[in-house]
Amino acid sequence: AQTVTQSQPEMSVQEAETVTLSCTYDTSESDYYLFWYKQPPSRQMILVIRQEAYKQQNATENRFSVNFQKAAKSFSLKISDSQLGDAAMYFCSYFGNEKLTFGTGTRLTIIP
Amino acid sequence: GAVVSQHPSRVICKSGTSVKIECRSLDFQATTMFWYRQFPKQSLMLMATSNEGSKATYEQGVEKDKFLINHASLTLSTLTVTSAHPEDSSFYICSARMEDRSKNQPQHFGDGTRLSIL
Repeated sequence: AQTVTQSQPEMSVQEAETVTLSCTYDTSESDYYLFWYKQPPSRQMILVIRQEAYKQQNATENRFSVNFQKAAKSFSLKISDSQLGDAAMYFCSYFGNEKLTFGTGTRLTIIP
Repeated sequence: GAVVSQHPSRVICKSGTSVKIECRSLDFQATTMFWYRQFPKQSLMLMATSNEGSKATYEQGVEKDKFLINHASLTLSTLTVTSAHPEDSSFYICSARMEDRSKNQPQHFGDGTRLSIL
């Protein structure tokens, strides 16, 4: 079974600074997809960024980028120029075998 | 963008009541919908995968007789919590994936239903 591990239950960052959230996963599959979702206090799940495992190039979406290390099974999220609206729970997730598996989440606090 | 509507957003009811939650994809067809449960300060746990026109696939440990899932059309899946008890109180979230079989299509989530059983 696939597992997703987020080793940082909580993180905080000063507004306008950069923060990196860690994620590792375990799988025996070669074809899969990785996602980061954001869950603000409203509890709505919002897609932040996605990465196809067959692509070597790291995905970027405006201030959000990932560092995908396939051999190490690592998929970290970097948030640049942090904003107050970035405060939320962030879930790393793995899609394979027709299922989306979530990590335990990292609560990100933005310090004004 | 793709929109998934989940209704109701909040339910409070007495123990023993059955509660139905609807999940609709508003602007796309979803052959597959997913139902998750989320306890406070925890992650989302997949309960079942709902396939249009066929029986749902339940995850290990999820009682299929307790959590009835029906996926009658390409835009609607329902979860019925039968004879709900306080331990069923939780946040339930549905998601839908576009009919395109490409795995990189993300799941689009409903806003969730907070279920409280008294």
